[in-house]
Amino acid sequence: NAGVTQTPKFRILKIGQSMTLQCTQDMNHNYMYWYRQDPGMGLKLIYYSVGAGITDKGEVPNGYNVSRSTTEDFPLRLELAAPSQTSVYFCASSMTGNEQFFGPGTRLTVL
Amino acid sequence: DAKTTQPNSMESNEEEPVHLPCNHSTISGTDYIHWYRQLPSQGPEYVIHGLTSNVNNRMASLAIAEDRKSSTLILHRATLRDAAVYYCILRDVIPNFGNEKLTFGTGTRLTIIP
Repeated sequence: NAGVTQTPKFRILKIGQSMTLQCTQDMNHNYMYWYRQDPGMGLKLIYYSVGAGITDKGEVPNGYNVSRSTTEDFPLRLELAAPSQTSVYFCASSMTGNEQFFGPGTRLTVL
Repeated sequence: DAKTTQPNSMESNEEEPVHLPCNHSTISGTDYIHWYRQLPSQGPEYVIHGLTSNVNNRMASLAIAEDRKSSTLILHRATLRDAAVYYCILRDVIPNFGNEKLTFGTGTRLTIIP
């Protein structure tokens, strides 16, 4: 199993550009999550999903959108990039919500 | 949300046990105690979780106080690879849509001294 994979690993955006961060898991997990981690800080939940077709906001959802059309994929969309969205983004998945498996992260810089 | 308090940093000698404390005085009866760790430049990694009883797995042990207001993660024999930030997190065991989250604080940065 590849586990949780994220693409791209790094990206630089200009203010106002949009992009999609991809996340795929091959463990047939129901729960999937997107977190962001600012330098020196803990992770903050952006969005999560408890199954295909079901998503909900986390702690910091503004400026982001998600969709969950399949069990495997949970893309995160940034519509109008802002410098405040410069961060490392982690995707995670879990069967029950108790043990979360994290991807390697995407480092995003908005200039 | 119930919150946790951890020391910012700790040091330990290699091959010695490490006890990482966590206070959670406002824990509710349905909160599980979770521990994750994050190695440099990596995503967090699950370590262990428990509700009331002490728990052991191949990575660590979790000792939970009788009143559940504090817990301790125990690494029995620290290695250099255990140097990481350790997060103590509470999660409601009865999730209701809208409560599905792990709230990460800033954790404890563990340094292992060779």
